[in-house]
Parts: sequence; structure tokens; C-alpha cells
Amino acid sequence: GEDVEQSLFLSVREGDSSVINCTYTDSSSTYLYWYKQEPGAGLQLLTYIFSNMDMKQDQRLTVLLNKKDKHLSLRIADTQTGDSAIYFCAESIDTDKLIFGTGTRLQVFP
Amino acid sequence: GAVVSQHPSWVICKSGTSVKIECRSLDFQATTMFWYRQFPKQSLMLMATSNEGSKATYEQGVEKDKFLINHASLTLSTLTVTSAHPEDSSFYICSARDPGQGGLIKYFGPGTRLLVL
Repeated sequence: GEDVEQSLFLSVREGDSSVINCTYTDSSSTYLYWYKQEPGAGLQLLTYIFSNMDMKQDQRLTVLLNKKDKHLSLRIADTQTGDSAIYFCAESIDTDKLIFGTGTRLQVFP
Repeated sequence: GAVVSQHPSWVICKSGTSVKIECRSLDFQATTMFWYRQFPKQSLMLMATSNEGSKATYEQGVEKDKFLINHASLTLSTLTVTSAHPEDSSFYICSARDPGQGGLIKYFGPGTRLLVL
């Protein structure tokens, strides 16, 4: 079945790295995504990774994928207060349907 | 990145009335758009897939007669909540698939918050 799990909350100090984790169940996932949602707003695509890749880096963001364990993580380097938001991972079974995780609320304090 | 807009951003209506929400892709043509709803502190749940020029595909448990979807052009999809009730109060978010990137990228609108009194 389709199920995507995330830890609910993460709190980090400004300047530290944040690591947000995600586990999924469907091994046929083709792409995995990370989205950011600020309060009262829609979702902003941060990055995505193809299922045959292990890692993808984009500026402060590093995505790690362990396909064997069906584990995805997002590392934010030098976390800033503006990074405070809810982060959703999502898996794509085909090019259309996205299954979203439960969301992780990241709180960055000075 | 590409932009998807929604209108209105906020709507308050009386129980029993119908509400129409618009979703537009502003700088690309989207043959496929998606409608999600999000309850407070919860994740997004896909309601339906809107296909230009054809009927929408609804997810299990979503009433097609309650949530009418029209995708009449390549840049516009509308969701009409018919005979709205307080339990329909939610945050509705649309997304549009950008065909220019192999269909991999879906951009999301800013959302519409519906409150039914």
C-alpha cells in the first residue's frame, strides 16, 4: 500500500544543520520530492530525486535516498530562521499521483 | 519556477451555497491539474485529477457530485463545492503538472481557505 511517514517536529538552532527524515512503503516509487509549506500558503517545490539515485545536492539542500530501506532524508545546511516551515516528502508512483507524507514542522530558533 | 494561481484565497459562505475555486497555470499549459484538500495540521489528500477536455478522475471516497471539477482550457481548472456544509471547511490546494519538464514537476497554487458557516 501507499504510506509515507515523517516525524512531526524538529527544532534546531540557527546555523546548525537540519535533517528531516521520511520513510515510504511503495518500492515502485519513481521520483521522490521535498516540498516546503509556510503558514497559510501553498507548497513550494524544493527538490526531487529519481529513485535510481542515492544523493542529490542543491546549494544548502542535500537529499539522500536509501532505496533498500525506503528511506529519504533532506539535510538543510546552515539552517536559517526563514527555513522555519512544514516540510513534506512525497512519492510519485507514476507521473501523476503524488502521495504526501505527514509533514515535519521545522522550528529554527536563534 | 512556474506559477500557479488560485482565486479566491479566502472564502466564507453560508451552509447550502456553492463555492467555485479557480486554479490557473500562468506561464505554462497544463493538461493535467490536481485538487487537494488539507485539514489543519494534516497532510494533503488528493481529491481528484483534472484532465483538460475530459472528465476528472476522483479518488476513492470523494463525491464527484459534491466536488465538481471543470478543466475547460489548458490553463484553467475549477473546483465547485456544491451545497457546502461546515464539514467542507478546509484548505483547498491545486497543482498543475508542467509538461515541459517531462511531466515530473508539479507546481502548487497558494491555496484557498474555505469556511462554511
